[in-house]
Amino acid sequence: AQTVTQSQPEMSVQEAETVTLSCTYDTSENNYYLFWYKQPPSRQMILVIRQEAYKQQNATENRFSVNFQKAAKSFSLKISDSQLGDTAMYFCAFMKRGGGSNYKLTFGKGTLLTVNP
Amino acid sequence: EPEVTQTPSHQVTQMGQEVILRCVPISNHLYFYWYRQILGQKVEFLVSFYNNEISEKSEIFDDQFSVERPDGSNFTLKIRSTKLEDSAMYFCASSDPTGQPQHFGDGTRLSIL
Repeated sequence: AQTVTQSQPEMSVQEAETVTLSCTYDTSENNYYLFWYKQPPSRQMILVIRQEAYKQQNATENRFSVNFQKAAKSFSLKISDSQLGDTAMYFCAFMKRGGGSNYKLTFGKGTLLTVNP
Repeated sequence: EPEVTQTPSHQVTQMGQEVILRCVPISNHLYFYWYRQILGQKVEFLVSFYNNEISEKSEIFDDQFSVERPDGSNFTLKIRSTKLEDSAMYFCASSDPTGQPQHFGDGTRLSIL
């Protein structure tokens, strides 16, 4: 079974600064995907960024980037130029690749990020 | 951009009553999922569904739960006899055959009294 650990229950950052959220995971699988989802106070679940484990290049999406360390089973999210709208709960998630129709996301407990003006 | 839609946004039900949560997945998606999030806790997988069958279910998904695709557009989660501990946010998601990314609806907040 896979586990996802987010060791920072809460973090805060000043607007326009950079913040990094940590995520580690445990799996015996070699092919998998990792995701960061954002959940603002409205409680929607919004995909922020995804990483395919077989790709060594770290994924980037505008101000969001990841530091994927496969050997260390680490998948951190960096948010640059933080904006007030980035205030949300951030969940790290794991999904086994090539699982046929048995796809499921395993989530961490989340990190509550507050961006201060 | 296509969206997953869920109704109702908030459902209040007496303990012991049946409840049906509804979802309209993205139209060309064939893989569907339900997740649950108890207030303040992490999102937990309940069930995945493909080709009119359950693909995988978690330990949470006991005999009180069922899923159905009654027509070509809806995907429902039924809880037969609700308990207080079923109070949670329920998210529906859908995906293409790669299984990712999973697109989530806005959720249904279920409150059991």
